Amino acid sequence: ELKVEQNPLFLSMQEGKNYTIYCNYSTTSDRLYWYRQDPGKSLESLFVLLSNGAVKQEGRLMASLDTKARLSTLHITAAVHDLSATYFCAVDRAGGTSYGKLTFGQGTILTVHP
Amino acid sequence: EAGVAQSPRYKIIEKRQSVAFWCNPISGHATLYWYQQILGQGPKLLIQFQNNGVVDDSQLPKDRFSAERLKGVDSTLKIQPAKLEDSAVYLCASSLDRWSGGYEQYFGPGTRLTVT
Repeated sequence: ELKVEQNPLFLSMQEGKNYTIYCNYSTTSDRLYWYRQDPGKSLESLFVLLSNGAVKQEGRLMASLDTKARLSTLHITAAVHDLSATYFCAVDRAGGTSYGKLTFGQGTILTVHP
Repeated sequence: EAGVAQSPRYKIIEKRQSVAFWCNPISGHATLYWYQQILGQGPKLLIQFQNNGVVDDSQLPKDRFSAERLKGVDSTLKIQPAKLEDSAVYLCASSLDRWSGGYEQYFGPGTRLTVT
């Protein structure tokens, strides 16, 4: 059974600081997704990582994937209050040409304060 | 482009009652997913459709949950009879088919179910 673990689960950051959220998973997969969820809202897709070594950046967020280490990171640069949300990673446990069988991590609740 | 639509947004029922949720995916999206998100947890995939066929329902509690996508467009998820532990947000998502690079899933606003 695929297990996806995020850490930390709770992250309190000061504005302007940098930090990294880690996502470890237990079985081979080369497709990993990062989502953002605001309180009471649905999930917003942030990044889709489809191969080993993939790196994507959008604004203050950068995601990377190391399939050999079964690890993805979400790096936050110079945090601002608007980044406060819950961040989920999700791993696709389907293989080959199949896709979409996502297993989500527990989520990291990020709070950015002045 | 319109997003994934879901209704109702909120539903409160008593245990042992039945309930149904509706989802209309983004136009042209062949793949449709239903997820259950219990408070404080990540979403859990219940069922995946490709057009009107089921691709994966391995995590769907089939003794009480059922889902259909008869015409390959909108879908209904039903719970009968509901239990207290079914209280959760039910999310619908859709994506293009795999031949179109349909890896990215787009989520609807969800239906918050409370079972009392």
